[in-house]
Amino acid sequence: AQTVTQSQPEMSVQEAETVTLSCTYDTSENNYYLFWYKQPPSRQMILVIRQEAYKQQNATENRFSVNFQKAAKSFSLKISDSQLGDTAMYFCAFLGGTSYGKLTFGQGTILTVHP
Amino acid sequence: DTGVSQDPRHKITKRGQNVTFRCDPISEHNRLYWYRQTLGQGPEFLTYFQNEAQLEKSRLLSDRFSAERPKGSFSTLEIQRTEQGDSAMYLCASSPGVGLAGDEQFFGPGTRLTVL
Repeated sequence: AQTVTQSQPEMSVQEAETVTLSCTYDTSENNYYLFWYKQPPSRQMILVIRQEAYKQQNATENRFSVNFQKAAKSFSLKISDSQLGDTAMYFCAFLGGTSYGKLTFGQGTILTVHP
Repeated sequence: DTGVSQDPRHKITKRGQNVTFRCDPISEHNRLYWYRQTLGQGPEFLTYFQNEAQLEKSRLLSDRFSAERPKGSFSTLEIQRTEQGDSAMYLCASSPGVGLAGDEQFFGPGTRLTVL
């Protein structure tokens, strides 16, 4: 079974600064997908960024980028130029290549951006 | 269509009662998923549908839980004889699911269940 671990329960950052959220996972599969989802307070979860394991190039989406280290089974999220609207719970999630449905989530990291 | 919708948003019930939740996915999305999220934790997978077929069920889904997607559109999740441990946020998600592995799942706002 796959497991996803987020070792930082809470993080904080000043507006306009850069912050990195950590995620490690365990799997025996070679082909899989990794995601970062954002869940703002009392609002629904939205996808931030997606990485396909067979792609060596790290995914980027505007201010969001990942550092994907397949051998180390590490998948960190970097948020540049942090904004107040980035305040949310962030979840790392894993999807096996043989499963079309089951996302396995980490425990989450609460990120607070301070003005 | 503005996204995945769930009804009700909040439900308070007494232990032993039955409850039913509804999820309306994004139009034309073939796949529909149910997750359960307890306070401060990440969502846990319950089950998912490809059109009307229920293809995978978690061991978390005890025999008191049943999910349906009768016409491949909306889905219902029923919990019979509710217990206090069922108190959680129940999330629904949908994805296009047309020949794509790893396609994005779009989440609804959730139904928060409180069992007294």
